[in-house]
Amino acid sequence: AQRVTQPEKLLSVFKGAPVELKCNYSYSGSPELFWYVQYSRQRLQLLLRHISRESIKGFTADLNKGETSFHLKKPFAQEEDSAMYYCALRPFGGNTPLVFGKGTRLSVIA
Amino acid sequence: DVKVTQSSRYLVKRTGEKVFLECVQDMDHENMFWYRQDPGLGLRLIYFSYDVKMKEKGDIPEGYSVSREKKERFSLILESASTNQTSMYLCASSFPDAASSYEQYFGPGTRLTVT
Repeated sequence: AQRVTQPEKLLSVFKGAPVELKCNYSYSGSPELFWYVQYSRQRLQLLLRHISRESIKGFTADLNKGETSFHLKKPFAQEEDSAMYYCALRPFGGNTPLVFGKGTRLSVIA
Repeated sequence: DVKVTQSSRYLVKRTGEKVFLECVQDMDHENMFWYRQDPGLGLRLIYFSYDVKMKEKGDIPEGYSVSREKKERFSLILESASTNQTSMYLCASSFPDAASSYEQYFGPGTRLTVT
């Protein structure tokens, strides 16, 4: 079974401080990992996927297979980063739905 | 731009009513999904479909059914609405397996209140 765990429901940081949103997963095979974001009154949208190794809006995430983690990081938080963040997983190469974590609400304080 | 649209942003229904939530996508995606989003519970998959007239149960299908008569449209049906089905419902679509570019595209959501 596939499972995604986001241990923090709410994370509050000051503007300019580093941000780390934690994501751990459970899957015996090779996973694809994603971060989705939902800003206030907007639809859920893809932020980044591990396979692309990209940096979007200053966020990065590295897949650590040894620790089964895919933490989302940003060196300097901005107020516009305040949103709901979801980590998601699916088996690599398989046509199955994404499995989502419960989400972490990030609040950046000015 | 991929467009996933949902028929209503807000809906208020009474207990016992039959409720239809409609979702339409314009990108010729084979896959379509219905999730419900609740605070503290995240997104939970209700049903999904890989093709017309095909459906698969997700994690929480009880009390729901779906219909996919056309490729672009995926309907979620609450046979007899109950108060515990008050929630935000999200529709999504995707290509089957886009390898390095896989993405599920989401609609704006329908906030359903059952009284």
